Order: sequence, then structure tokens, then C-alpha cells
Amino acid sequence: DIVMTQSPLSLPVTPGEPASISCKSSQSLLHSNGNNYLDWYLQKPGKSPQLLIYLGSNRASGVPDRFSGSGSGTDFTLKISRVEAEDVGVYYCMHALQSPVTFGQGTRLEIK
Amino acid sequence: EVQLVQSGAEVKKPGESLKISCKGSGYSFTSHWIGWVRQLPGEGLEWMGIFYPGNSDTRYSPSFQGQVTISVDKSISTAYLQWISLKASDTAIYYCVRSSLDWGYRPDYWGQGTLVTVSS
Repeated sequence: DIVMTQSPLSLPVTPGEPASISCKSSQSLLHSNGNNYLDWYLQKPGKSPQLLIYLGSNRASGVPDRFSGSGSGTDFTLKISRVEAEDVGVYYCMHALQSPVTFGQGTRLEIK
Repeated sequence: EVQLVQSGAEVKKPGESLKISCKGSGYSFTSHWIGWVRQLPGEGLEWMGIFYPGNSDTRYSPSFQGQVTISVDKSISTAYLQWISLKASDTAIYYCVRSSLDWGYRPDYWGQGTLVTVSS
């Protein structure tokens, strides 16, 4: 199985400040078609996860442009340009390259 | 509007059987893979497997192969997750997920979750 490793696991952020989460995979997520099969999800408190970013850098429908994803191969980053109170929750990276799909441990973002 | 509506919370005893459901609406049910993700209490997310209603193709995570059964009734646009003999370690929230049209392994919509509690 592909192992997904996130850091940090806890991220306290002041509103209006930027935030960054790293995700590393144990093998390359770059498909022969040129796509990186890495997605990001946010699970807000008490809610189901929601898709934020797919194929490493594409925002899902309705996701604010303060969220951006980058990276290729085995190293990926999720950035929030200016954190808002509604961004609190647990962020998960996930590879969608093959079965079984696996998730990172999750990064808990909290407001300072 | 795409919706995945799951059945309600369940409380069961070890050794009992269980089948929970997920009804999809607002999209072509037979065109998207549909599957399940487990979340143990206070823990992260685990992908269990997916089912393609168009041809009944099924993919299980090795961690769940033989432990659960994923099935679908196309006539009522409903997916199921079934256990023959529950264990206390099956206590978790189970999310139904629809996969995106272009790639079966990517969940793009999630149900509200079904809490399963297994306790003697």
C-alpha cells in the first residue's frame, strides 16, 4: 500500500495569516498520463469530509481561491493564503492512483 | 443536486449481522463508482472499497476483503455495506462516497455518515 505522511499534525493559525500543510507519499503519484493522483479533503467539526483539491492542484467546485495545491511525484503542499474562522477542521491528503486508496493521518487546523 | 442519504445509526451486539444503506440521487447512478469509507472513533479515514453499478465490478481494500460485502440495487439507486458477524472493532462511522466520473478512486460526494456501535 502507498503510505501517505502529513505534517504538521496540528496547525494553530491566526486569522488572516497563511497556512501550509505538507503531504508525502511512499511512491510517486505521477501517472503516465501526466496527472498527479493526489487529492485534499477537509472535514469540518461534526461533518462529512468534502473535496477541496483534486489532481494535486485543481480546486473542486465552490472551493474559495484562497486554497491552492501544488507538488508532483511524492511531495505535495496545500496552502491557504489567508485563514478564516470557517477553515477549522482536519485536512487529509489522499492518493487516488490505485487500489487501495489511502489517506494521510490528518492535520488539525485550529484558530489561535 | 447530488445527494447520498444514508440509513440511521445502529446499535448491535458482537456476532450479529448488519446491512446499512446509501441512496443516491441527483445524478446517473449507474455511471459512477460508489463506495464506503470508515472512520474509527476519533481517528482518520480508511477506504474500504468501491462498486460500479454499470457492470457490478467491485474493488476492495485488502484490509476489508472478506470482512464486508459491498452491493448495489440499481433499481432503487441504493448501495449497501454488509457484515455477517460484527465485532466490537467495527464500531465506527461509515461514509458512503460517490466517485468522480473521470476517475473511480476519487470520492467527490460524501453521505452524512452512519454510526455503527457494536457492544455487548
